[in-house]
Amino acid sequence: GAVVSQHPSWVICKSGTSVKIECRSLDFQATTMFWYRQFPKQSLMLMATSNEGSKATYEQGVEKDKFLINHASLTLSTLTVTSAHPEDSSFYICSASGTFRRASYEQYFGPGTRLTVT
Amino acid sequence: AQSVAQPEDQVNVAEGNPLTVKCTYSVSGNPYLFWYVQYPNRGLQFLLKYITGDNLVKGSYGFEAEFNKSQTSFHLKKPSALVSDSALYFCAVRDIKSGFQKLVFGTGTRLLVSP
Repeated sequence: GAVVSQHPSWVICKSGTSVKIECRSLDFQATTMFWYRQFPKQSLMLMATSNEGSKATYEQGVEKDKFLINHASLTLSTLTVTSAHPEDSSFYICSASGTFRRASYEQYFGPGTRLTVT
Repeated sequence: AQSVAQPEDQVNVAEGNPLTVKCTYSVSGNPYLFWYVQYPNRGLQFLLKYITGDNLVKGSYGFEAEFNKSQTSFHLKKPSALVSDSALYFCAVRDIKSGFQKLVFGTGTRLLVSP
């Protein structure tokens, strides 16, 4: 139970294009979803938090116009990297939190998406 | 602010030996502590958590962690390491001041189990 999927698992795009990454909670309703970024050999950096039906809350230093987050339903959140550049290449991980077996405070993580911008 | 520290970048242990991955925390109020494991190019997998109750928490894959309030530590342990345990381990604490229940992660410790 508490499965979170991400699509795609990896993507290569050209500089200047936009890329959308989907995060889905498969067997529970995710009232809150989190987006993280992880550089090689580093910890997870929280980018933003989104609640279903409302605007995302971005962490300090994260460009909200560059990383567009939409949480339109209780099972789907999307992260769009707009006008991607090579420095946006990274591993993006989402997590979801909701009422699953009464454990509403736990985050369940997706498998991650490897983005490479050429 | 809530924070966790993982003082070791890497831990090396021989297969069959006990392993310990260290984590210390700094929180206001009662800590909600977690351990996650990450395999290469994968997301995080939940191992165990401490919310309240018994100081020794048992988790997945034979791992356990001991909550020590006086030392503000939450070290991850396993009696007998396997080569397949080699991975990146993250300690995390829930940021209770955040209305969205954010997790604050440590910098991670790479565990290398040699055959």
